[in-house]
Amino acid sequence: AQSVTQLDSHVSVSEGTPVLLRCNYSSSYSPSLFWYVQHPNKGLQLLLKYTSAATLVKGINGFEAEFKKSETSFHLTKPSAHMSDAAEYFCVVSEGSARQLTFGSGTQLTVLP
Amino acid sequence: NAGVTQTPKFQVLKTGQSMTLQCAQDMNHEYMSWYRQDPGMGLRLIHYSVGAGITDQGEVPNGYNVSRSTTEDFPLRLLSAAPSQTSVYFCASRGTGNTYEQYFGPGTRLTVT
Repeated sequence: AQSVTQLDSHVSVSEGTPVLLRCNYSSSYSPSLFWYVQHPNKGLQLLLKYTSAATLVKGINGFEAEFKKSETSFHLTKPSAHMSDAAEYFCVVSEGSARQLTFGSGTQLTVLP
Repeated sequence: NAGVTQTPKFQVLKTGQSMTLQCAQDMNHEYMSWYRQDPGMGLRLIHYSVGAGITDQGEVPNGYNVSRSTTEDFPLRLLSAAPSQTSVYFCASRGTGNTYEQYFGPGTRLTVT
């Protein structure tokens, strides 16, 4: 069975400083991994995805994530935070024939001026 | 393309009432899913469908019914609403390609009093 653990429920950074949102996963097969972002009262937007190609994945808005199989991690990073990055971020794993998604509990990112 | 659409955007029900949340997609996607989002719990899968006429239960199916008579539509029925079903509901769809990316609707915010 697949599962996802987001290690921080809240992260605060200052504008212009790096962002690190941590995610560990458990999967019986070769998983697909995703990061989604949700701005307040909005739907979910795909930031980036890993599907067994390059282990360093680049996404939208300057975000990237590295798939590390030995550590079962898929941490999300950004070199310099912007105020518009304030949102909730979800790490997601997908496996199995129906490829259904299992979501982490989310990390709320606050960006301080 | 409109993508994934959901109606209504907001709904208030009294305990015991029934209603149907509508979901439609115009991308000819085979796979469709319903999730509920509750604070601190990420999104949890309620029901999903791998094609017209085929549905299956997810993680939290109790109190909900689904059917899939067409590729485009995947309604979610609440049989007898309970306060525990107060949540934000998201519908999602994906195609059969290898990227496994799911596209989400804007959500329905349901309150049961």
